[in-house]
Amino acid sequence: DSGVTQTPKHLITATGQRVTLRCSPRSGDLSVYWYQQSLDQGLQFLIQYYNGEERAKGNILERFSAQQFPDLHSELNLSSLELGDSALYFCASSPREWGTSPLHFGNGTRLTVT
Amino acid sequence: DAKTTQPTSMDCAEGRAANLPCNHSTISGNEYVYWYRQIHSQGPQYIIHGLKNNETNEMASLIITEDRKSSTLILPHATLRDTAVYYCIVRAANDYKLSFGAGTTVTVRA
Repeated sequence: DSGVTQTPKHLITATGQRVTLRCSPRSGDLSVYWYQQSLDQGLQFLIQYYNGEERAKGNILERFSAQQFPDLHSELNLSSLELGDSALYFCASSPREWGTSPLHFGNGTRLTVT
Repeated sequence: DAKTTQPTSMDCAEGRAANLPCNHSTISGNEYVYWYRQIHSQGPQYIIHGLKNNETNEMASLIITEDRKSSTLILPHATLRDTAVYYCIVRAANDYKLSFGAGTTVTVRA
């Protein structure tokens, strides 16, 4: 158990809809990262938050947004969903903004867009 | 910008040591080598990391060559539950993220 909790485990929705994925980091970790894993793309970094502030962006679509709340949990919002958004979405956390501490990952949310 | 090269796949015998190679010939002095694994669509699991000295923990050993251009992850006694995709990642101390490549699909056979 990594200590990172993601909900829900599975999500099935229709094209054009909006969903919210939730992540609770490990106790004491201030950084939260979001990754997307689709069959043809591998694990892709989306965005990082540190102590409530956005710190880095990767290949995140404009239809996607995230935030980190004062209690340090994070939400990833996906809107105007398309079939191609079907993927596994992982959250990870680490103690600091950067450094040598490893990232610890949750077990993901599997999103299916029909 | 692939910084590491790993074999696409490898088989290992249950109970034997599994040696997973990784080439990172362009590694910089401030970059660490991290190993993760992903078991069948679960979240990536941290295994071990190191800078230049060999490292060992309860899961594995990491051997980094003296020139730091390659490393080997050693699973001392592979079990069927070690079947997974193993990722070797190079990351600087001031880098905010991990960049995953394709990894090595390791299959442990009875």
